[in-house]
Amino acid sequence: RKEVEQDPGPFNVPEGATVAFNCTYSNSASQSFFWYRQDCRKEPKLLMSVYSSGNEDGRFTAQLNRASQYISLLIRDSKLSDSATYLCVVSVDSSYKLIFGSGTRLLVRP
Amino acid sequence: DVKVTQSSRYLVKRTGEKVFLECVQDMDHENMFWYRQDPGLGLRLIYFSYDVKMKEKGDIPEGYSVSREKKERFSLILESASTNQTSMYLCASSFAGLDEQYFGPGTRLTVT
Repeated sequence: RKEVEQDPGPFNVPEGATVAFNCTYSNSASQSFFWYRQDCRKEPKLLMSVYSSGNEDGRFTAQLNRASQYISLLIRDSKLSDSATYLCVVSVDSSYKLIFGSGTRLLVRP
Repeated sequence: DVKVTQSSRYLVKRTGEKVFLECVQDMDHENMFWYRQDPGLGLRLIYFSYDVKMKEKGDIPEGYSVSREKKERFSLILESASTNQTSMYLCASSFAGLDEQYFGPGTRLTVT
């Protein structure tokens, strides 16, 4: 079983749609959680951290469910510019190591 | 703005060659990382360093070595390149601990 699992997609949605991605992780000792965004042929960039209480940044909402060991990302009012691959990232206990999921691809169509 | 630069965007090498990939960051970050990214496998950590001259193995260190002689520079070395090392190599840096990692643009290495 992979340490971090994501549905690879692609999720193909119209502009203005709401879309949600889930990600499951296997290490119950994981402490830190992130969503990174990677545009085609570009490097990953931090989208947002995921806190236990959940957090929101504009159209983006991230939530953590420790009991079921999954995190989610909700994107409201999708824009064409949201088309990218979204990487779920989980820490390995308190070390410097991060485990990256293989990503969920989102395509937003006009 | 944090800047992480990598020495080459594209590189083609022959099997058995020694390959050096260089990474430089300009934000005085403590931590530096080397990953490789392959379709369906995501980013996998090869080596990381949390201080000058310090290095730790990641998940897939076999066939690679690293060097960090200066804080801003972290080099990845393929002692004898093999075709299964054809991949996208990404360098990253972070200030400390589990801070945000900033990535370089990547080097697409092809070993023929």
